[in-house]
Amino acid sequence: DAKTTQPTSMDCAEGRAANLPCNHSTISGNEYVYWYRQIHSQGPQYIIHGLKNNETNEMASLIITEDRKSSTLILPHATLRDTAVYYCIVRPVYNTDKLIFGTGTRLQVFP
Amino acid sequence: DAGVIQSPRHEVTEMGQEVTLRCKPISGHDYLFWYRQTMMRGLELLIYFNNNVPIDDSGMPEDRFSAKMPNASFSTLKIQPSEPRDSAVYFCASSLGRLSNQPQHFGDGTRLSIL
Repeated sequence: DAKTTQPTSMDCAEGRAANLPCNHSTISGNEYVYWYRQIHSQGPQYIIHGLKNNETNEMASLIITEDRKSSTLILPHATLRDTAVYYCIVRPVYNTDKLIFGTGTRLQVFP
Repeated sequence: DAGVIQSPRHEVTEMGQEVTLRCKPISGHDYLFWYRQTMMRGLELLIYFNNNVPIDDSGMPEDRFSAKMPNASFSTLKIQPSEPRDSAVYFCASSLGRLSNQPQHFGDGTRLSIL
């Protein structure tokens, strides 16, 4: 069962920041927050993950609240190619199996 | 760098036929996963391997499904006999290492249609 809650859909104007929220109020101290996305007709693509601290890479930034009960994925300058379903997943530190995908957030970037 | 490679990309076959899906993981990765995606159930883990050995096959729907990994660079998922309800997109993924600090990398899937 998915342990995260995400909005079903969001819109974002091209060039603006896309902020995708995720609630994981039951997260434990030994669970990572992972983000994947799935562009139409492609496999899920890894974006970023974090444990406690905020993280940034070439694709996105991940902001995790101090109590770790929620997080936000930030795409700083959304493009049309960022239109996809975005999945927030919690995953135990010492467990490499069972990525449990929920229903995700469908992000539509418009011109 | 080459990612996870799956073949075929599309497969259409008649009910009762044997179907074989193929996967080549990223070189050096020691974990391999098979997932299935449908509109009704979303993405589900079917089975995964570590160092070519099946670790957990609890997600395999029934005995008609089987998976093998004869070597570190190749895996197959076989359905025999196939049924219309097996129609789905099947994804293969691979990762490196035991800790979940290592992300899984997915192929682009095989879209299977059973008529």
